[in-house]
Amino acid sequence: GAGVSQSPRYKVTKRGQDVALRCDPISGHVSLYWYRQALGQGPEFLTYFNYEAQQDKSGLPNDRFSAERPEGSISTLTIQRTEQRDSAMYRCASSLVPDRTPGYGYTFGSGTRLTVV
Amino acid sequence: AQTVTQSQPEMSVQEAETVTLSCTYDTSESNYYLFWYKQPPSRQMILVIRQEAYKQQNATENRFSVNFQKAAKSFSLKISDSQLGDTAMYFCAFMKQDSGAGSYQLTFGKGTKLSVIP
Repeated sequence: GAGVSQSPRYKVTKRGQDVALRCDPISGHVSLYWYRQALGQGPEFLTYFNYEAQQDKSGLPNDRFSAERPEGSISTLTIQRTEQRDSAMYRCASSLVPDRTPGYGYTFGSGTRLTVV
Repeated sequence: AQTVTQSQPEMSVQEAETVTLSCTYDTSESNYYLFWYKQPPSRQMILVIRQEAYKQQNATENRFSVNFQKAAKSFSLKISDSQLGDTAMYFCAFMKQDSGAGSYQLTFGKGTKLSVIP
């Protein structure tokens, strides 16, 4: 696609429910990143993939959070047994590898705003 | 690990005036990239300007310019002739040079909320 697409745009869920957030990167972008942005804060790195391989998941806060990208394209971030503290904007970004001009090709999606009530 | 600090939570500027947003960072890397991103009320993340650490010349994009002081680990953003559309959160961000693993992870500061007053 022309841009990074995320769905749903908004998600309200009850505490204890599982949620799945979807990211569809730019066609041909090898790398896919997930970030979490709490209200009034900057985005924080969660995890990233090159193709279907999860290269770094050091930013995932705990084992309730997981991500996959089974075919090297669309990725899903899953949060199990949601808690109120999980409420945030979840952003996806994608880039080329190698990126000859790092940063210029780095494209963010519009994010999914998750509210846990 | 890298850290990025933006010490000004909020700033305001009169339309057509100039404003400078500050950013400092801490890293042991010698090669890296620095960015300023704009996040308007629409919540998009828009790249404003980019600086390569090995370049001494400060980057400029139209009304936006940076003052990059590598030794001081400082990277401020100057907005000239401020416009109402510049009202947004501004985030400073750091990216390590890729080691070949195809990693372009960004580390962000907490942001500065800029209001342009008519």
